[in-house]
Amino acid sequence: GDSVTQMEGPVTLSEEAFLTINCTYTATGYPSLFWYVQYPGEGLQLLLKATKADDKGSNKGFEATYRKETTSFHLEKGSVQVSDSAVYFCALRSPDTGRRALTFGSGTRLQVQP
Amino acid sequence: DTEVTQTPKHLVMGMTNKKSLKCEQHMGHRAMYWYKQKAKKPPELMFVYSYEKLSINESVPSRFSPECPNSSLLNLHLHALQPEDSALYLCASSQPGQGTLNQPQHFGDGTRLSIL
Repeated sequence: GDSVTQMEGPVTLSEEAFLTINCTYTATGYPSLFWYVQYPGEGLQLLLKATKADDKGSNKGFEATYRKETTSFHLEKGSVQVSDSAVYFCALRSPDTGRRALTFGSGTRLQVQP
Repeated sequence: DTEVTQTPKHLVMGMTNKKSLKCEQHMGHRAMYWYKQKAKKPPELMFVYSYEKLSINESVPSRFSPECPNSSLLNLHLHALQPEDSALYLCASSQPGQGTLNQPQHFGDGTRLSIL
């Protein structure tokens, strides 16, 4: 079945540091890939998405590239801020399973210190 | 501001109570979802409605009863819950259909449920 694997957290960085959160997936066919962010006490917000190989999703300084050859969708940001502290979820939707719901990774907590 | 509205934001109930969670969206989406999220875990799918019909039930206990009265509303009726049901309950919506699988799901802020 479909699965998403994320790096274990928490990830603790100083402000303005470079961020990478690794995400790899297993799916049949060509899934769509998403990064969601969850701030404390809130629901999930879509951060970015990519729907085909070599697509790059970007938003608010975050980027991720859909790599079919390595089945990866790593999240990066060049300079993190304290306000980026949150839990980040990598997720996929596969067209081959008939499911309409997302398959999530376990989430990675990011803590940015001033 | 979220486009999916969930009420109430917090709910505390006893194991013998009956309560309902509500979700509303006005984006014209015809697929709606209930997820359960425990602390420090990803959301787990409970139910999916597509065109107001239940299409997926992930073997959820019958003490959770979903209802989709129209294309904008989704309810989750709760009865005789257990302490382990305490969690954040998230509603989401999206466009259904194979041609829209690249469209994201939009989530509400959730209802934080505590069972005494």
